[in-house]
Amino acid sequence: SQTIHQWPATLVQPVGSPLSLECTVEGTSNPNLYWYRQAAGRGLQLLFYSVGIGQISSEVPQNLSASRPQDRQFILSSKKLLLSDSGFYLCAWSAGQEVNEQYFGPGTRLTVT
Amino acid sequence: AQSVAQPEDQVNVAEGNPLTVKCTYSVSGNPYLFWYVQYPNRGLQFLLKYITGDNLVKGSYGFEAEFNKSQTSFHLKKPSALVSDSALYFCAVSPGGAGSYQLTFGKGTKLSVIP
Repeated sequence: SQTIHQWPATLVQPVGSPLSLECTVEGTSNPNLYWYRQAAGRGLQLLFYSVGIGQISSEVPQNLSASRPQDRQFILSSKKLLLSDSGFYLCAWSAGQEVNEQYFGPGTRLTVT
Repeated sequence: AQSVAQPEDQVNVAEGNPLTVKCTYSVSGNPYLFWYVQYPNRGLQFLLKYITGDNLVKGSYGFEAEFNKSQTSFHLKKPSALVSDSALYFCAVSPGGAGSYQLTFGKGTKLSVIP
């Protein structure tokens, strides 16, 4: 069966510090991968998605970037965090080349102080 | 562009009563529709989806949803609510088709089941 991991689970970082969140998927090949941010426990904002190694699509211009160095690894980064980057970050994966359900990781709670 | 509306921020229902969480959508073409549930500080869990076929879709944990094309709705239902169903519920839509990977999510509806 497929599983998706995210780490760390929680993170407290000062403004201006760098960020690296990691997501890995097991049990599937060539997944579509997604990064979302959820603010205040509500709506999800799609940040990035990737359909293959090195292929990243950005949905919202921002202080963040994403990379996919391996087939089942997706990394969310920032060079300098802003207060507004605080939130709950969710990674997800889906299979195939058409719309399918997405499966979410457990999330990372980021607090920028 | 597609959109999803969940008109109720919160729904309260007594344990054992039927529950409905409402969702309406706007999309070009035939929609792909999804429901997810989120427990506090957890990721979203997939409940069910509609792509084509029978308008009544059955999913996990006894939930079902009814697709209504004329009303552009996809309401989530359960015949008898449990306290453990209390959570945040999200509806999502996609226009479907090859290369259309993204889901557009509603803002979520908080369901509280009262013992």
